[in-house]
This record gives sequence, C-alpha cells and structure tokens, in this order.
Amino acid sequence: DADVTQTPRNRITKTGKRIMLECSQTKGHDRMYWYRQDPGLGLRLIYYSFDVKDINKGEISDGYSVSRQAQAKFSLSLESAIPNQTALYFCATSGTRAGELFFGEGSRLTVL
Amino acid sequence: GQNIDQPTEMTATEGAIVQINCTYQTSGFNGLFWYQQHAGEAPTFLSYNVLDGLEEKGRFSSFLSRSKGYSYLLLKELQMKDSASYLCAVRDPTGANNLFFGTGTRLTVIP
Repeated sequence: DADVTQTPRNRITKTGKRIMLECSQTKGHDRMYWYRQDPGLGLRLIYYSFDVKDINKGEISDGYSVSRQAQAKFSLSLESAIPNQTALYFCATSGTRAGELFFGEGSRLTVL
Repeated sequence: GQNIDQPTEMTATEGAIVQINCTYQTSGFNGLFWYQQHAGEAPTFLSYNVLDGLEEKGRFSSFLSRSKGYSYLLLKELQMKDSASYLCAVRDPTGANNLFFGTGTRLTVIP
C-alpha cells in the first residue's frame, strides 16, 4: 500500500459544487502539504500544515480551504468549484529533512 | 520572490549523458532539490544540494553553484526509463522551509 494515499483519484464535477480531496499517510510525518500542478506552471503550494493545530496558506490559497483532522489526515476543500480549478492535485508529506517531499499519487479534478 | 528557470524539453540518446540546467533567483537560499516525475505519476525525490559542488548518487549527479544561482542534474548511461520530467526546486529561506518548483524539463530518451 502507498505511504501517502489520496482519494478520489479522479473526479469530474460542475461549477459551484463543493469538493473535498482527502489525504492520509502512514509515514508518521508531521508536515503535510497540498499542491496543484498545471501544464506549463509547475507545482504550486496551496496550503501546508506542520501539525494538527498549525495551518498555513501557500502561494495560491484563494478558493481553497483545508482541515488537518489528525496527524495522518489532511483534506483539501473547494467550497464552490470553478473551471480554472481544473488541475492535478498532490498531497505530500515531509519528515526531518524539510524539502524532501513524499507525494501521493495525485487527484485529477475536472470542473465543468 | 522566487524565479526558477529550466529548459522546457530535451531529447537525448540511450546510453548517452545529458545535463539539465536550472537557474534560480531567490531572496535567500536554503537548499536546492531535484525531483523526477514520470508521466501521470507523482514526483519522487532525486537529490539535494545545499553547499557548492557535486553530489553523486549512482547514475545521477547534481551540481550547485550558489554564487551563480545555478544547478544542473547530470544523468549518465541514459536508459529509456529515464524519460520523465525533472523538476528543480529551491527551499524557502524563511522559517517555513517550503519548496518553490520550476516548471520542469521533459526529457525524452530515444533509442
């Protein structure tokens, strides 16, 4: 089984719908991240969390929210999805060496 | 702010050596990382440089010059499975230590 698991792996939804992407990890890491990847733009940080009580905005947090339910779980929500949020979303964790990230398999979201 | 530049695409021949360059302009510096990403898959960590010089790990090596804001990833004895995107990332020098990624270089290895 993967150390960092994302659900769903693929989702198609309509504009205005609420969407939640979930991430769970078995690596025992405190740090968790949500990135989105778009062709030609690379990976961009949405939110990050260093422990259950610590949530921080990244480069592109507008339109997104997160919840750190436990050390192992970090979910990303789109309260009202819009088409330009169509992207590949990655959850990641890191341990003692900040910057060495362990990524989940990705969640491909399409907003029509 | 952070600015990271890499070539968009490169092609190289199986068995050859290829060098993928990365230049960066950052408000500070706290380490440079290379990741490999096969099409449709998650990025995986390749290497980390924080001091000037060459770090070698099997067929892959990574070089850093902090004074020039420059790094390269060197891949030797190329194999078809090395066809992937290679992402350069710099670590945020503030307390958060987050990574800022370049747009990646798509390498195609041909027979």
